[in-house]
Amino acid sequence: AQSVTQLGSHVSVSEGALVLLRCNYSSSVPPYLFWYVQYPNQGLQLLLKYTSAATLVKGINGFEAEFKKSETSFHLTKPSAHMSDAAEYFCALNSGGYQKVTFGTGTKLQVIP
Amino acid sequence: DSGVTQTPKHLITATGQRVTLRCSPRSGDLSVYWYQQSLDQGLQFLIHYYNGEERAKGNILERFSAQQFPDLHSELNLSSLELGDSALYFCASSVDKGGPDEQFFGPGTRLTVL
Repeated sequence: AQSVTQLGSHVSVSEGALVLLRCNYSSSVPPYLFWYVQYPNQGLQLLLKYTSAATLVKGINGFEAEFKKSETSFHLTKPSAHMSDAAEYFCALNSGGYQKVTFGTGTKLQVIP
Repeated sequence: DSGVTQTPKHLITATGQRVTLRCSPRSGDLSVYWYQQSLDQGLQFLIHYYNGEERAKGNILERFSAQQFPDLHSELNLSSLELGDSALYFCASSVDKGGPDEQFFGPGTRLTVL
């Protein structure tokens, strides 16, 4: 069975500070991993995805994530938080052939001015 | 704009009623997924259809059902509604050719059961 764990349902950072959102996964086969962002009253949109081509993945809006197999992690980072980054972030895992995607419980990011 | 459309945007109804939510996937996408998002349950996968056939079921109640039509649009039917069914319902679509395809989410339908 596959699973995704996001540590911290709420994270607060100061504007300009490093953003680190944690995601750990469990999968019996090589996984595909995704980070999605959800702004208030909107659907989810893809930030970035890992497809085994490179362990460091760059996404939109300055976000990046590093796949670490030894740690079964796919943490999301951004060097400098912006007020517009305030949103909920979901880590997702696909380790099935038929797009069976498992989402984490989400982390709400608050950016303090 | 993800290219996925959902109607209606908002729906207010009473307990015991039945509603239908509609989703049109992106052009060319064969897979449609339905999710329920609520404050207490988070984002829950309900069901996945691929080219008209049910592919996977998640935490979908027996009172809920879905189908995907030949033109690939999908409907989610919710019956005997309860207060706890109040939530945001999202539809997503993907190409689903066996690879790491991302899902494209619609704007959601906010259901309020009074």
